[in-house]
Amino acid sequence: AQSVAQPEDQVNVAEGNPLTVKCTYSVSGNPYLFWYVQYPNRGLQFLLKYITGDNLVKGSYGFEAEFNKSQTSFHLKKPSALVSDSALYFCAVRRPRTGGFKTIFGAGTRLFVKA
Amino acid sequence: KAGVTQTPRYLIKTRGQQVTLSCSPISGHRSVSWYQQTPGQGLQFLFEYFSETQRNKGNFPGRFSGRQFSNSRSEMNVSTLELGDSALYLCASSLGTSGRAGHEQFFGPGTRLTVL
Repeated sequence: AQSVAQPEDQVNVAEGNPLTVKCTYSVSGNPYLFWYVQYPNRGLQFLLKYITGDNLVKGSYGFEAEFNKSQTSFHLKKPSALVSDSALYFCAVRRPRTGGFKTIFGAGTRLFVKA
Repeated sequence: KAGVTQTPRYLIKTRGQQVTLSCSPISGHRSVSWYQQTPGQGLQFLFEYFSETQRNKGNFPGRFSGRQFSNSRSEMNVSTLELGDSALYLCASSLGTSGRAGHEQFFGPGTRLTVL
């Protein structure tokens, strides 16, 4: 069965410091990987994705993520955190062979950026 | 371009009732997926519709059903509501005909359902 793990329920970081939100996955084949962010009382917003190619992908709002096939990880990073980055972050995976857009999400990691 | 819209935004029902939620995808998007978000279970996939056909289905009881219309708008229905059905129901639409192309999903703001 496919699954996505976000080992940290919460990540605390000071404004201006680098941040990392961790994600590992257990999916056969070559899955597609995504990061989404959710602000209070809002739906999810797409941040970035890995489909194929370069292991380092860049996305919205200065976020980037590194795909590591051997470690089956897709950690989200940002060099300098902002207070406005405080939100709930979801890692997600999709198996292209399913043919559709069914996506499995991790449990989410709440990011707190302190001023 | 307008985003994904969901109506209503908030809903309060009692156990045993049924409810219908509506989703209008982004113009040109033909795939619509539904997710249930709860504090305990997180985000769980309900089903996906494409060209008026259910293409994928999650592990939910038959009380949860959906449909898609020719204009790609989608509805989901929950019959015989239970307390555990209280959740945020999110709709997402995607461009393209297949998930193999790697398109991301665009989410609506959700419908917050409370079952009393």
